[in-house]
Amino acid sequence: NAGVTQTPKFRVLKTGQSMTLLCAQDMNHEYMYWYRQDPGMGLRLIHYSVGEGTTAKGEVPDGYNVSRLKKQNFLLGLESAAPSQTSVYFCASSYAGAPYEQYFGPGTRLTVT
Amino acid sequence: EDKVVQSPLSLVVHEGDTVTLNCSYEVTNFRSLLWYKQEKKAPTFLFMLTSSGIEKKSGRLSSILDKKELFSILNITATQTGDSAVYLCAGDYNQGGKLIFGQGTELSVKP
Repeated sequence: NAGVTQTPKFRVLKTGQSMTLLCAQDMNHEYMYWYRQDPGMGLRLIHYSVGEGTTAKGEVPDGYNVSRLKKQNFLLGLESAAPSQTSVYFCASSYAGAPYEQYFGPGTRLTVT
Repeated sequence: EDKVVQSPLSLVVHEGDTVTLNCSYEVTNFRSLLWYKQEKKAPTFLFMLTSSGIEKKSGRLSSILDKKELFSILNITATQTGDSAVYLCAGDYNQGGKLIFGQGTELSVKP
């Protein structure tokens, strides 16, 4: 039981490049989330999903897209990376019956130069 | 505008001390207040509070919610170096697990 895994762990991009972060969970959770964490700012929700094929915007969705084609996977895409997207990205998942108890992945450190 | 504000932002104490961390919130359609602990990497869930005045306890940690004054506190008694972490509180929007987090309080416990 791996819990929530994220790929890659680290990435450096040049401005304007694109990339996809992959999140996978093996707990059969209905809900999944993408957050970013910047120094002194806690966690900010980017997008979330309450089920396969559904997504919704969070607090800071601009510049990101997401897809949830399979229940266990949640992808975060950056179409044209900007230095302001340098951050640590966390994926999380939860049961629909206890959405407040979110299980987090180890994070992806992204640097955009 | 919805917000969650934590204080202090950082705190240094010695082992054995008792600490109180504060969290105030303004969250539309508020359902519950959550506390998470973040050591080095991923946050882990500590408490969920929905009712005013009812204390939640887990070992040396306890937390209480005041829905009239819109705040919560997290107490840690007899602190240990293993309690060193960032403590995050979050408000639940009652909308598919959508949470809004505060900035976090970085607690450092010295031996």
